[in-house]
Amino acid sequence: IAGITQAPTSQILAAGRRMTLRCTQDMRHNAMYWYRQDLGLGLRLIHYSNTAGTTGKGEVPDGYSVSRANTDDFPLTLASAVPSQTSVYFCASSALAGGFSEQFFGPGTRLTVL
Amino acid sequence: GENVEQHPSTLSVQEGDSAVIKCTYSDSASNYFPWYKQELGKGPQLIIDIRSNVGEKKDQRIAVTLNKTAKHFSLHITETQPEDSAVYFCAASEKGGSEKLVFGKGTKLTVNP
Repeated sequence: IAGITQAPTSQILAAGRRMTLRCTQDMRHNAMYWYRQDLGLGLRLIHYSNTAGTTGKGEVPDGYSVSRANTDDFPLTLASAVPSQTSVYFCASSALAGGFSEQFFGPGTRLTVL
Repeated sequence: GENVEQHPSTLSVQEGDSAVIKCTYSDSASNYFPWYKQELGKGPQLIIDIRSNVGEKKDQRIAVTLNKTAKHFSLHITETQPEDSAVYFCAASEKGGSEKLVFGKGTKLTVNP
């Protein structure tokens, strides 16, 4: 069982470019999340999805968009990258089947915007 | 919305000693409090969690306590080992029909052999 996979592992991007971070889970979880992790700031929620076809904004959504066309995939898009979006991005999923359940995290994508 | 404070930001202990990490939360409606361990270069992984109807939970060398009145919860690691060295995050649930979490800023634990 792979769990959650993310791609790419790392990326260097010029400011102003468009970038999509990919996330796929094979656990048939209903809910998926995108976080960014910055030194000293912990994990901050960007966007989330409770089920295919629905998305919601987290704490720091500006500059990012998501889609949830099916259960397994939850891509995160930076329409026009800026240096402040340099961060490590983690995708996560949880069952969302009544009562809180564990969030499983992917290995992360390290993004550098120059 | 929910706000989670975590202390200390760094903690260094000798192998075999105990380590305690503390968190406070602001929203009395929060009812789920997980702890995650993040090793270098990896994603966070759940190590223990506690729900608001329980005051304490143990799993081998790890325990978590919850004080709902004071709105704080703590992670206790006994008989620490070098492999316990990692960054630990506490989190609290956000109310609403999702499983959203608000995380603390993390504690870097170093266990010295």
